[in-house]
Amino acid sequence: LAKTTQPISMDSYEGQEVNITCSHNNIATNDYITWYQQFPSQGPRFIIQGYKTKVTNEVASLFIPADRKSSTLSLPRVSLSDTAVYYCLVGEPLWAGNNRKLIWGLGTSLAVNP
Amino acid sequence: DAGVIQSPRHEVTEMGQEVTLRCKPISGHNSLFWYRQTMMRGLELLIYFNNNVPIDDSGMPEDRFSAKMPNASFSTLKIQPSEPRDSAVYFCASSFLGLAGDEQFFGPGTRLTVL
Repeated sequence: LAKTTQPISMDSYEGQEVNITCSHNNIATNDYITWYQQFPSQGPRFIIQGYKTKVTNEVASLFIPADRKSSTLSLPRVSLSDTAVYYCLVGEPLWAGNNRKLIWGLGTSLAVNP
Repeated sequence: DAGVIQSPRHEVTEMGQEVTLRCKPISGHNSLFWYRQTMMRGLELLIYFNNNVPIDDSGMPEDRFSAKMPNASFSTLKIQPSEPRDSAVYFCASSFLGLAGDEQFFGPGTRLTVL
């Protein structure tokens, strides 16, 4: 199972760019990298997913180096509403047919200050 | 679509009682997941179903926990008998297999307190 390591917590200020790095040294060839966001008292919400290089959507960017042993979630110009827990997951899409579980862990608690 | 629906939102029960949590996945989704979240252990996958069939239940902590999915629009997670250490937030999620990415859509969760 691909295990991920990410910082327990981070602090930032409104308007700043925030980068959260996740390490996944034993990522497998078929594994995708997925990030979720969770607000208090809510279920996690999908943010972005990638396999290699860079992926960008309206919410964030995901940078993946060539060796894929780490990835960085980039949140541009954060606001107070970006205060949440961010989870990095590594695993095969379940339609691949293997029963490998996605390990969520504790995530990174991001606090955005005014 | 209303999203994933869970009930009840809050449940307080006494040790030894049976607890049943309910979930209605998003219509058209083929996979359903049950998770448990605690401060100490984070988010843990308990079991997931594909086309109503349990695929992996290795995360179910013990025999006191059981899950069923009698049809594509309904699933239950039952704890019998319940214990104080079962206190947690239980999430149900669904996804549409076949799309690259397998984005999971989570419900609001059920906060369970076992006294």
